[in-house]
Amino acid sequence: SQQGEEDPQALSIQEGENATMNCSYKTSINNLQWYRQNSGRGLVHLILIRSNEREKHSGRLRVTLDTSKKSSSLLITASRAADTASYFCATDRTGANNLFFGTGTRLTVIP
Amino acid sequence: GAVVSQHPSRVICKSGTSVKIECRSLDFQATTMFWYRQFPKQSLMLMATSNEGSKATYEQGVEKDKFLINHASLTLSTLTVTSAHPEDSSFYICSASGTGMRTNSPLHFGNGTRLTVT
Repeated sequence: SQQGEEDPQALSIQEGENATMNCSYKTSINNLQWYRQNSGRGLVHLILIRSNEREKHSGRLRVTLDTSKKSSSLLITASRAADTASYFCATDRTGANNLFFGTGTRLTVIP
Repeated sequence: GAVVSQHPSRVICKSGTSVKIECRSLDFQATTMFWYRQFPKQSLMLMATSNEGSKATYEQGVEKDKFLINHASLTLSTLTVTSAHPEDSSFYICSASGTGMRTNSPLHFGNGTRLTVT
């Protein structure tokens, strides 16, 4: 299977705390993307990091990529209750958007 | 930003019937559309990739005669679940990429269709 794995599977934190989610994958990649999914809805793109990049920031989001370890992490700083959702990493081997998703982390931010 | 509309959002059908799900790109031409399936509390599994005007490419284990995909125009792809059975009950999501989008541009997803087969 080309599907990646994420940990933790579930994470519950207090509002204001930081949340870190990790993603491991198996194949070489062109880029890795993080998506957010509210319950029963489609996915919203958060951030894309290319294979030659090691870290990227977007607002309260910080993504790292270690291609030697085939792993990535997503950090959400100063979490808010509205950040409650499932977060998925997805790998793109060729840059053609043929994505394979990780198993996801269900984040709950308690107000 | 790019918008992808998926319809219907929910559908309940009887076992043995067929169901069609539409995926439309509203403000861009989608040369490629992807169809995913998601079971409760699980990840998205890529079912097939469709390119406008050509046959879809199915992932291993996905029955092409069961899940018919048509991508006849640059703004519309359809997934038809034929002779549906209860085990086909799932959340189906489409995404699209298109002309004018750079390599490494993120996908745009529809809001998904929850199919329940009774």
